[in-house]
Amino acid sequence: KAGVTQTPRYLIKTRGQQVTLSCSPISGHRSVSWYQQTPGQGLQFLFEYFSETQRNKGNFPGRFSGRQFSNSRSEMNVSTLELGDSALYLCASSLPKTSLYTFGSGTRLTVV
Amino acid sequence: GIQVEQSPPDLILQEGANSTLRCNFSDSVNNLQWFHQNPWGQLINLFYIPSGTKQNGRLSATTVATERYSLLYISSSQTTDSGVYFCAVEGMIYNQGGKLIFGQGTELSVKP
Repeated sequence: KAGVTQTPRYLIKTRGQQVTLSCSPISGHRSVSWYQQTPGQGLQFLFEYFSETQRNKGNFPGRFSGRQFSNSRSEMNVSTLELGDSALYLCASSLPKTSLYTFGSGTRLTVV
Repeated sequence: GIQVEQSPPDLILQEGANSTLRCNFSDSVNNLQWFHQNPWGQLINLFYIPSGTKQNGRLSATTVATERYSLLYISSSQTTDSGVYFCAVEGMIYNQGGKLIFGQGTELSVKP
């Protein structure tokens, strides 16, 4: 069965622009969570969605937002991009009532 | 919040050698997973192991939940084992659900 799919794989954006990343979970998985990975801060939790509701949020500014659709696909949006937003963004999905997370290949965002 | 510490931060091995990676966590956890990050950035599940011992080929893992640590064993290492190994935990408190907390990783390099 298909794994977690993230699009696009690579993005280059200019400071001040906004960006939308997409994540399609494994079929049947209703929880989707997002992480940011940078060399300095490592892997940090952004937010988690379940049944179209944000259940948990990490310590990131309001420029980072997300949503989940009825088919469990999720998007995250970053507005007013800063150079420090350059990172690998990973999403993970899991089945209800389990804690086994499967990750996608990530979107590598470069802000210039 | 929960702190996750991994050791060693870096490890260089000759092909065929064995190694042990350690993960310490500061509080009771609902979930513990070991991941291998491939060169393209994807986090590959190795083990879901909140307690006990599991084996998968040359890899095995043990988590002693009461003492708050987990060990990942790699035997007869191969060059393809190179990469970064992450330990990640999920707290037992309700509002920490859906949120994996990652260690800083162990970067393994296996030389031929």
